[in-house]
Parts: sequence; structure tokens; C-alpha cells
Amino acid sequence: DVKVTQSSRYLVKRTGEKVFLECVQDMDHENMFWYRQDPGLGLRLIYFSYDVKMKEKGDIPEGYSVSREKKERFSLILESASTNQTSMYLCASSLQGFSFGELFFGEGSRLTVL
Amino acid sequence: AQSVTQPDIHITVSEGASLELRCNYSYGATPYLFWYVQSPGQGLQLLLKYFSGDTLVQGIKGFEAEFKRSQSSFNLRKPSVHWSDAAEYFCAVGATFGNEKLTFGTGTRLTIIP
Repeated sequence: DVKVTQSSRYLVKRTGEKVFLECVQDMDHENMFWYRQDPGLGLRLIYFSYDVKMKEKGDIPEGYSVSREKKERFSLILESASTNQTSMYLCASSLQGFSFGELFFGEGSRLTVL
Repeated sequence: AQSVTQPDIHITVSEGASLELRCNYSYGATPYLFWYVQSPGQGLQLLLKYFSGDTLVQGIKGFEAEFKRSQSSFNLRKPSVHWSDAAEYFCAVGATFGNEKLTFGTGTRLTIIP
């Protein structure tokens, strides 16, 4: 069974802290994505990666960075967390192209920034 | 760029009743179309997808969707809902040209009453 694992389901951080959200997939997928989910706004793409060490900005990259050192792992980094980054973060992976490949999602990481 | 609208934020139906969730898209050609479901506390799972061909698409869990080009719609249907169908449903559209990412709608939350 395919699996995308997000290491932290719930995090509480303070303003200004550096936050790491980790995502691992076991499907040998080329593409990995980080989305942010907020009520009434749906899913918004933060960053994506189509290969190791490659990354592309999504629709809302400000305040975030990413790292992909290994094919199976894609990390989202908040350099200095702010309260407006309180949200649900979803990691996903896909084998095929960005617009037509089935996305496989992790269970999400709910981040609260105080 | 493509866009997608889910006009219903929240829908309540009785168990055993039929269901239709609306999705309208904007794109200059026939897009790739998807429906995803998010059960409480879970990530998103693909229900069904339309790429081309037969405009009535069958998915998992007894769901189907119909692509109507004239109405720019891709509505999701189920003839008889079960309590386990309570979830949030997301329509997504992908471009068939270029390298655009998937665009998700804002979601429709489905409540099932006994």
C-alpha cells in the first residue's frame, strides 16, 4: 500500500521559532508537494519538487523554504514562524506530471504558532 | 491559468438519499478533472478523474461524476449516501497544456444525518 508519512501530526510553536515539517514517501515518486489547507481557501500550493535537489515555488511560497536531499524525503521549513502560518500542512507525492498525476497525500501536520 | 469553483460550502443529506456536489471550472480547453475526498483527520484520497473519452466517470466508493463541456461542470454524484461518506470533498482541475499544477476548489463539507 502506498504511503506518505508526515512525522508530526500536531505541533505548537512560538513566534520566531524555526519549524521543520518532514514528509517521507515510500513509492519512489519523482514529484513531491507541500500544500497549506485553510477553511474556505481550500488547498494552496507552497512548493513542489520534481527531482532531488530541485524545487519550484508554488502559489504562496513567502515565509517558507524546502529541502529535498533524498528522493523519498521532502521537508518544509518555516525560518521564523508567525501566527499567520497557523494552518494544516499537507504533503503529497505523485509519479506522473503535475497536472494529471494522481496525488497521494499524507495525513497532515496541524501547526499552531502562538 | 485554470480555476475551479465549488459553490456549496456545506451540504447536509439524509442517509440513503442521493447526493450531487457541484464543481465548475474555467479553462480554455478540456482540462484534466479530479474529485478528492478528505475524511476527518485524514489526508486527501482520489475518488475519480476525467482525462478524455466517456464523459461519465466511475470512481471508488460508489461515486460517479459527469463532465459537461457546455456547462464547464464536473459534478459528483452518488445514488445513496452512507454515514461513512461524511467528509470534505475537493474538486481539482489540471491544465492539459503547459506545466501548470493542479488547482483545487475550496471544498464542500458533507454532513450525513440519520
